Amino acid sequence: EVKLEESGGGLVQPGGSMKLSCVASGFTFSNYWMNWVRQSPEKGLEWVAEIRLKSNNYATHYAESVKGRFTISRDDSKSSVYLQMNNLRAEDTGIYYCTLLGADWFAYWGQGTLVTVSA
Amino acid sequence: QIVLTQSPAIMSASLGERVTMTCTASSSVSSSYLHWYQQKPGSSPKLWIYSTSNLASGVPARFSGSGSGTSYSLTISSMEAEDAATYYCHQYHRSPPTFGGGTKLEIK
Repeated sequence: EVKLEESGGGLVQPGGSMKLSCVASGFTFSNYWMNWVRQSPEKGLEWVAEIRLKSNNYATHYAESVKGRFTISRDDSKSSVYLQMNNLRAEDTGIYYCTLLGADWFAYWGQGTLVTVSA
Repeated sequence: QIVLTQSPAIMSASLGERVTMTCTASSSVSSSYLHWYQQKPGSSPKLWIYSTSNLASGVPARFSGSGSGTSYSLTISSMEAEDAATYYCHQYHRSPPTFGGGTKLEIK
């Protein structure tokens, strides 16, 4: 059974930093592109970042709204993917989901972790 | 980026009623790259239909998907109580991947 478990969310002040983690199980983690998708009442579902495989030199891609502020990374030995978020803004508030990309759809989603950016 | 517009935003259906919701793309999307997700309150989205018309594992056969180009739809042949949820379309034809705003389906 595929499982994705996020952690690291919470309350942070504007301009602050936070690192999200996602531990995966039930599949060969190193064979799959991993993504972060967030959800908020204001913006709905919004893709945030993607990281590819070792064979792709761990290429990364970001939404324009987070480029230069967020960094996605992975540790295949720990079946984990991370999202380092810096210079956080109020509009970054939302539930952050770790997702497994199957072909070109988000095949599995974690339960999500809530990030609240507020003074 | 490709904008996906879903309609209606909210709809209600009686049990046993046929339901259809649509997803319109701002530019053409290959049918291979148009997908649907179901989300219930307090839960994360679940892959529901992939590549326009293929049901994900465990999805009841009363669901179907169709479409091409800029117009796609999700149909439920006979509404059941468990189908009440929000449905989102998603495209990965062109980066960045984008989602529609969702159709919230309620029981009448």
